[in-house]
Amino acid sequence: EDQVTQSPEALRLQEGESSSLNCSYTVSGLRGLFWYRQDPGKGPEFLFTLYSAGEEKEKERLKATLTKKESFLHITAPKPEDSATYLCAFSGSARQLTFGSGTQLTVLP
Amino acid sequence: SAVISQKPSRDICQRGTSLTIQCQVDSQVTMMFWYRQQPGQSLTLIATANQGSEATYESGFVIDKFPISRPNLTFSTLTVSNMSPEDSSIYLCSVESPRDRSTDTQYFGPGTRLTVL
Repeated sequence: EDQVTQSPEALRLQEGESSSLNCSYTVSGLRGLFWYRQDPGKGPEFLFTLYSAGEEKEKERLKATLTKKESFLHITAPKPEDSATYLCAFSGSARQLTFGSGTQLTVLP
Repeated sequence: SAVISQKPSRDICQRGTSLTIQCQVDSQVTMMFWYRQQPGQSLTLIATANQGSEATYESGFVIDKFPISRPNLTFSTLTVSNMSPEDSSIYLCSVESPRDRSTDTQYFGPGTRLTVL
């Protein structure tokens, strides 16, 4: 059965303390792995799409990587404004997005 | 990316009534999607709406409860019918990237926060 699991559920960091969020997936025929940021009361904001193992993408303090079984979202020297829930999702043969439960990140000043 | 708006942004409704949520996109898109996000939960796909055809519903969602219209390539509506408190959620519409449909990337609207009393 296709599924995606994110860990940890919640993460508290001090400003400047780098860390990584994990997204483990099982899907037959992965078409893409997606990362979104969601602020409270808002819709998800698209961050990255990764298509094949070994691929990496960066945007400001965020870097997403992909292996055959998991994806990581690395956050370097985070700031309080990086506080949000980070969602990963995959698309498979059905071309629909299946979302994980998210990691709620809090960055303390 | 596409610019997506939703109306209303939030509403408080009485049990047994219905609410229609509108989703407007600033460019023509083939596929639009409707999701539900229950409090503290992640996103669950309700249905996929293609222009000119009937919406395709996911397991656990039925047309009588969540009728969808897709009259053109920039607009869709989702109705939540005969509401109960369990329908209290954020309802989100999304669209595939209008520039590259092969990527499966979706862009989301701001959501409609529904509270049913």
